[in-house]
Amino acid sequence: GENVEQHPSTLSVQEGDSAVIKCTYSDSASNYFPWYKQELGKGPQLIIDIRSNVGEKKDQRIAVTLNKTAKHFSLHITETQPEDSAVYFCAASKGNDKIIFGKGTRLHILP
Amino acid sequence: ETGVTQSPTHLIKTRGQQVTLRCSSQSGHNTVSWYQQALGQGPQFIFQYYREEENGRGNFPPRFSGLQFPNYSSELNVNALELDDSALYLCASSLAGVNYEQYFGPGTRLTVT
Repeated sequence: GENVEQHPSTLSVQEGDSAVIKCTYSDSASNYFPWYKQELGKGPQLIIDIRSNVGEKKDQRIAVTLNKTAKHFSLHITETQPEDSAVYFCAASKGNDKIIFGKGTRLHILP
Repeated sequence: ETGVTQSPTHLIKTRGQQVTLRCSSQSGHNTVSWYQQALGQGPQFIFQYYREEENGRGNFPPRFSGLQFPNYSSELNVNALELDDSALYLCASSLAGVNYEQYFGPGTRLTVT
């Protein structure tokens, strides 16, 4: 069945360093890959997304890469700040279809 | 803020009871999707409504049902509540046919005792 694997489950980085979260997906028909940030007591917030016809996308300190052949995609956060501490979810979908989420990565930014 | 609102914020119910959760989609959006998020897990798709019709369903039993109204707001109904139904229920709105982004509301925390 459709599945999204995400790792690591927990990640601690020093403030100012970079963080990388990696995901794989199983359904080769997936064509849309959003990333969500969820803070305690809140709903998931869409922070960046990428479509299957694009290999890389960047928005300020956040970048995502996609390797369709390997069915891998990654989130890169540079110059991490305390407010980046949260749970991050990768996800995959087929257009307007349901979103399949990974299990999440808890990111801790250490002072 | 996404403009997606949900009510109530928190709810406590007893096993066997029924519950209705509500969602108002972002202005201009025509599609609402519902997800269940258990503690420490990623959201799981329950179903999606487009133009007042169910447009896809995840692996949830029939006691989970929904509605979408002409103004695109939506309800999630759960009958015969079980302890395992305790979770955060999230709705997400989107504009089908234009783009793929789904924007989530803050969720309703349901506790079944």
